[in-house]
Amino acid sequence: AQSVTQLGSHVSVSEGALVLLRCNYSSSVPPYLFWYVQYPNQGLQLLLKYTSAATLVKGINGFEAEFKKSETSFHLTKPSAHMSDAAEYFCAVSEFTGGGNKLTFGTGTQLKVEL
Amino acid sequence: KAGVTQTPRYLIKTRGQQVTLSCSPISGHRSVSWYQQTPGQGLQFLFEYFSETQRNKGNFPGRFSGRQFSNSRSEMNVSTLELGDSALYLCASSPPLAGDTDTQYFGPGTRLTVL
Repeated sequence: AQSVTQLGSHVSVSEGALVLLRCNYSSSVPPYLFWYVQYPNQGLQLLLKYTSAATLVKGINGFEAEFKKSETSFHLTKPSAHMSDAAEYFCAVSEFTGGGNKLTFGTGTQLKVEL
Repeated sequence: KAGVTQTPRYLIKTRGQQVTLSCSPISGHRSVSWYQQTPGQGLQFLFEYFSETQRNKGNFPGRFSGRQFSNSRSEMNVSTLELGDSALYLCASSPPLAGDTDTQYFGPGTRLTVL
């Protein structure tokens, strides 16, 4: 079974600082990887996805992630944090099974942005 | 295009009761998946439906069931509620487009509280 591991359940950065949220995957086949964001009392919003077309993936709100096969990583970055980025972020891997896809999520990283 | 909608948004039930949650996918999407989110277990896959057929099922007891209608709307049912069923239940739909069928778009969720 495929899995993802998110290192750091809580990350705190200053406004304007670099955001780096870590995700490592375990997959026996080339994975489809995703980052989602969840704001309080809301569902999950898709930030970006990797589907092997390009190793550097740009998403919404200035986020991007780089797929590194040698490190089995898919870390999420943003050059300059904004207060509105404070939320919980989930890394996920898609598994094709039974003719369909299911997502397996990491445990999430709560991002706090301080003035 | 309207997003995934879920009703109701909030629900309070007592132990032993049953509950039905509803999900309307994005127009044109035929695959609907359900996830349970709790603080202790995180995001866990419940099941996936496509063209009124269940394609995948997660590791949940038989008290959890679902169905999909011909218009792709889906319902999930939980019978004999337990305190541990208190959670945010998220529904997601996937487009039929080749190369994008693995992408899941989430609704706002239904917050179920079992007393």
